[in-house]
Amino acid sequence: EIVLTQSPGTVSVSPGESATLSCRASESVSSSNFAWYQQKPGQAPRVLIHGASNRATDIPDRFSGSGSGTDFTLTISGLEPEDFAVYYCQQFGTSPFTFGPGTKVDFK
Amino acid sequence: QVQLVQSGAEVKRPGSSVKVSCKTSGGGFRSFGFAWIRQAPGQGLEWMGRITPMFGSSNYAQKFQGRVTITADESTKTVHMELTSLKSDDTAVYYCARDSSNFNDPYGFYSYYWGQGTLVSVSS
Repeated sequence: EIVLTQSPGTVSVSPGESATLSCRASESVSSSNFAWYQQKPGQAPRVLIHGASNRATDIPDRFSGSGSGTDFTLTISGLEPEDFAVYYCQQFGTSPFTFGPGTKVDFK
Repeated sequence: QVQLVQSGAEVKRPGSSVKVSCKTSGGGFRSFGFAWIRQAPGQGLEWMGRITPMFGSSNYAQKFQGRVTITADESTKTVHMELTSLKSDDTAVYYCARDSSNFNDPYGFYSYYWGQGTLVSVSS
């Protein structure tokens, strides 16, 4: 199975700052089959980015995704208070559709 | 709009089985993929398996092969996940989720619509 590794495990930032989250795959993943999710405590995850760089419906443009092959990045520009959450990457090109272990974005 | 409503919390003994249901409304059913994803307390997301009702067959993560069965009932637009031989580390919130796009678009096989989650607690 394709193993996804996310770094850092936790990133501490202040509101208004930017955060860069990384996801590395154990083998090449088509960017069309790559997504990022956000999860807040007590809630189901919601998709932010699909196709590596396409924002999902109603996702603000401070969220952007990039990457290809084995290295993907989620950037959050100008963090808002509601952005403090855990972020997961997922590949859905090869079964099982694995998730990364998550990156927690918390307050500095 | 599309809604996925899951069955309620369960408390189970080790060695027993649990069946969680996910009833859908407001959107397509038979031509869309439905995944089951679980999350142990304080842990990350773990993909368990997936079914597209019109094809009938499911595929599962190797870790759960032989213990999990995912089925779909088109008459009630409900997807079920049964997990057998439960252990304490199966304690988790179990989510069902529907793909963004139908089977014709593999680039839409990410989980767009999610159920509210079902807590399954396994304890003696």
